[in-house]
Parts: sequence; structure tokens; C-alpha cells
Amino acid sequence: KQEVTQIPAALSVPEGENLVLNCSFTDSAIYNLQWFRQDPGKGLTSLLLIQSSQREQTSGRLNASLDKSSGRSTLYIAASQPGDSATYLCAVRVNFNKFYFGSGTKLNVKP
Amino acid sequence: GAGVSQSPRYKVAKRGQDVALRCDPISGHVSLFWYQQALGQGPEFLTYFQNEAQLDKSGLPSDRFFAERPEGSVSTLKIQRTQQEDSAVYLCASSLSDSTNEKLFFGSGTQLSVL
Repeated sequence: KQEVTQIPAALSVPEGENLVLNCSFTDSAIYNLQWFRQDPGKGLTSLLLIQSSQREQTSGRLNASLDKSSGRSTLYIAASQPGDSATYLCAVRVNFNKFYFGSGTKLNVKP
Repeated sequence: GAGVSQSPRYKVAKRGQDVALRCDPISGHVSLFWYQQALGQGPEFLTYFQNEAQLDKSGLPSDRFFAERPEGSVSTLKIQRTQQEDSAVYLCASSLSDSTNEKLFFGSGTQLSVL
């Protein structure tokens, strides 16, 4: 069974810092990897989706990379803002109907 | 609709009661997923529909859990004889097609508390 791990579990940084969130998975046979943001009491919002054939995706201040062979992905957030405070989850898609999620990294950006 | 809508937002049930959770996916979305999220954990797969067909229910924890999507749009997750361990957030997600390239769009979830 696919295992997805996210490190660190929690992170607190001052506003303006660049930061990296890590996601690792045990089985490289994936279709894609998706990064989500979850605000307290809310559902998940898709941030970036990287297909298995891609190395990275960018959206604004966010950049996600994928190294499928080593089972790793990183989410880079540039110039962090207090509004970025949320839990960030990664999920790998292993077939048409199965996603495996990590437990998330809870980010706090202090003003 | 503009997004995936779930109701109720919160549900408190006494142990042994039956509950029904509703999901309205984005209009036209073929695929619909139910997930269970325990506090501090990532979502765990429960079941998957392609239109009205339930193609995978391998994640349903027991036969007390039942899901349907009779007309290929709205879906209901029913839990019979609720137990305390059923307390969790139940998330619904949809995607436009069954292609593996599609993004998932999530609702805000139903937080179920079983007393």
C-alpha cells in the first residue's frame, strides 16, 4: 500500500521567509501528485497538480517539484504571508479512483 | 453550481442513530468521491462513483456505511447505528471526468460528532 509522509508536521516562520514543505511516497507508480491547502474547518483547495511525466509546476509564489523515481515532492512558497497560514497536504494518484494523502504540514506565518 | 456543496455542515448524533450526509458535486462532474478525515490526519478514501455507478466501495469501514448516487449527480452517504469511532469530517470531492489527469474539487465537509 502506498504510504505518504509529510515533514515537518508543523512549521512557524516570520512573514517574508521563503519555505519548503516536503512530501515523500513509497511507491513511484503514480499518475500525478497534487498539493492542497486546507483552512480550519474547510475542505481542501487544489494548489498545484504535477503529472508523473512533469518535473515541476508553478503558480504565483508557489512552485512544486516532483522526483518520481526517489518518491519525493517539494512545495516551495516564496515570500510567505500571514494569509498563507493553513495546512498543506499532498496526495498521490495511483489509479483512476485512488488518492493517498499525507497528514499535512500545518504552516503558521507570523506577521 | 459554483463548487461542491455539502450538508449539513455539522451533525451531532447520539450513538445508535442513523445519519445521512449530502453532497452536491459541481454540475457535470462525472466522478464523485467520499473521504473520511480524522482530526490531524489526511483524508482516507471511502468510496467512488462514476456517474451513478459505484465502482469502488473498498474504503467503507463497515456494512453500516452505505453510499448512493442514483441519478449521477447528488450523492448521499448514510451511516447506520452510528458509533463514537465514526466521529470525523466527511469530505466529498468531484472531478470533471474519470481521467487520471483531472484535479479534485472538495466540498467543505460535514463534521460528524457521535456522542
